[in-house]
Amino acid sequence: QVQLQESGPGLVKPSETLSLTCTVSGGSISPYYWSWIRQAPGKGLEWIGYIYYSGSGNYDPSLKSRVAISVDTSKNQFSLKLTSVTAADTAVYYCARGARGDGEVFDIWGQGTMVTVSS
Amino acid sequence: SYVLTQPPSVSVAPGKTARITCGGINIGSKSVHWYQQRPGQAPVLVIYYDSDRPSGTPERFSGSNSGNTATLTISRVEAGDEADYYCQVWDSSGDRRVFGGGTKLTVL
Repeated sequence: QVQLQESGPGLVKPSETLSLTCTVSGGSISPYYWSWIRQAPGKGLEWIGYIYYSGSGNYDPSLKSRVAISVDTSKNQFSLKLTSVTAADTAVYYCARGARGDGEVFDIWGQGTMVTVSS
Repeated sequence: SYVLTQPPSVSVAPGKTARITCGGINIGSKSVHWYQQRPGQAPVLVIYYDSDRPSGTPERFSGSNSGNTATLTISRVEAGDEADYYCQVWDSSGDRRVFGGGTKLTVL
């Protein structure tokens, strides 16, 4: 079955760029939508943005100026870059597959990776 | 931007019925999806398109959506249902995915 695995540094310094990759195994990255979702400690889920397998996508307005999501279909991966991070970006970051309709249903999730922003 | 409102907590005795609400302006015109998140785990889809169950979701879980409120109903609640539950919609006006704040279900 399809599985998602996040990877990347667990510690990022303030003002630097957070970079994560999600590897899709057991299935194809097309024709789905792929999202990044985060959860600050003790808080709820926050959608960051999505990318379609074709490369189009959208981001939450609150993060749009700092976020970029890209896809590499040859590697069955998609990636997140978040610039100018602060302590408020400390969270568990999940990648998820968006299925059905306009990819609005998150039917498969990665296990999540904790990213701490600290000097 | 579209806002979804959930009660922070709901408590229910084992064997009883839990109802978790998700409020939003005219949410009945949108499709609502529900996720269960047990402590330390990733969220899991339990209801999609208001009332459809993915394979693996017990029939005890059901959903409804009308007017300004969507509801996740869990019948014959078990200790294993204790978790955080999140509702989610697609805000088509901005092509955004929006989550509610989450509800902690406590089984007494």
